[in-house]
Amino acid sequence: QVRLVESGGGVVQPGGSLRLSCAASGFTFSKYGMQWVRQAPGKGLEWVAFIRYDGSNKYYADSVKGRFTISRDNSKNTLFLQMNSLRVEDTAVYYCAKDWGGGDDYIAWGQGTLVTVSS
Amino acid sequence: QSVLTQPPSVSGAPGQRVTLSCTGSSSNIGPGVVHWYQKLPGTAPKLLIYGDNNRPSGVPDRFSGSKSGTSASLAITGLQAEDEAHYYCQSYDSSRSGSWVFGGGTKLTVL
Repeated sequence: QVRLVESGGGVVQPGGSLRLSCAASGFTFSKYGMQWVRQAPGKGLEWVAFIRYDGSNKYYADSVKGRFTISRDNSKNTLFLQMNSLRVEDTAVYYCAKDWGGGDDYIAWGQGTLVTVSS
Repeated sequence: QSVLTQPPSVSGAPGQRVTLSCTGSSSNIGPGVVHWYQKLPGTAPKLLIYGDNNRPSGVPDRFSGSKSGTSASLAITGLQAEDEAHYYCQSYDSSRSGSWVFGGGTKLTVL
C-alpha cells in the first residue's frame, strides 16, 4: 500500500528556513517523479515543485523559484523541500505526491504538514 | 491566477446532475491528461478521476470525467449532501515535463 508521510513543518519567522521531508513506502520510489503541492488558508491547491525520478530534472513555481529547492534520496525513499527566505505568503499545508504511473498506478498524496510563517 | 480555469462555484439539489468545467490550453490539457480531486477541509486531496475519464476503485460511478480539446469536465449525478466539497482539476505543463498545473477549484454546494 502506497504511503507518504510528510514531516518538518512548524512555525518560522519571515526570512527563516525549514526543511520538509516526505517518507515514501509501498512502491518503488526511485521509479517515480514526485511533487510538492501546497494549500494556503482559504486558497486553492498550488503546485510548488517537481523532481524527476532520478533527480535529473527539477521545476519550480515562479512564486518559490530561487528560494525553495526540491531534492530526493532514492536510497532512503525520501523526498525533501528546502525552504529558505520564507515569507508570510508561504504559510500553507504542504503535501508531497507521487505522480501517476499510467493505468491504475494512481497518484498518491501524503496527509500534509503545516508551515506557518509569522513574526 | 491558476493555469487552468474553473468556475468558483456551482450548486445543485439532491438527486440532480451537475457538471464542473476545467479550461486549459494547448500547453497543458490539449496534449495531456486531466485528473480530478475532491478536497474536504483538513484532509488530503482525494483522487476522483484519473487519465481523463477513469475512476479509481472505491469511487462511485456517480462521478465521471471527460475531455475534449483543451477542456475537461467532471459530472456528478444523483447529488448527495456528502458531495459538498471543493473540486480541483489537474493536468501537466507540456513545456516542463512532469510539472503539474491546477485549476483554481470549484466549490460545490448541495442545496
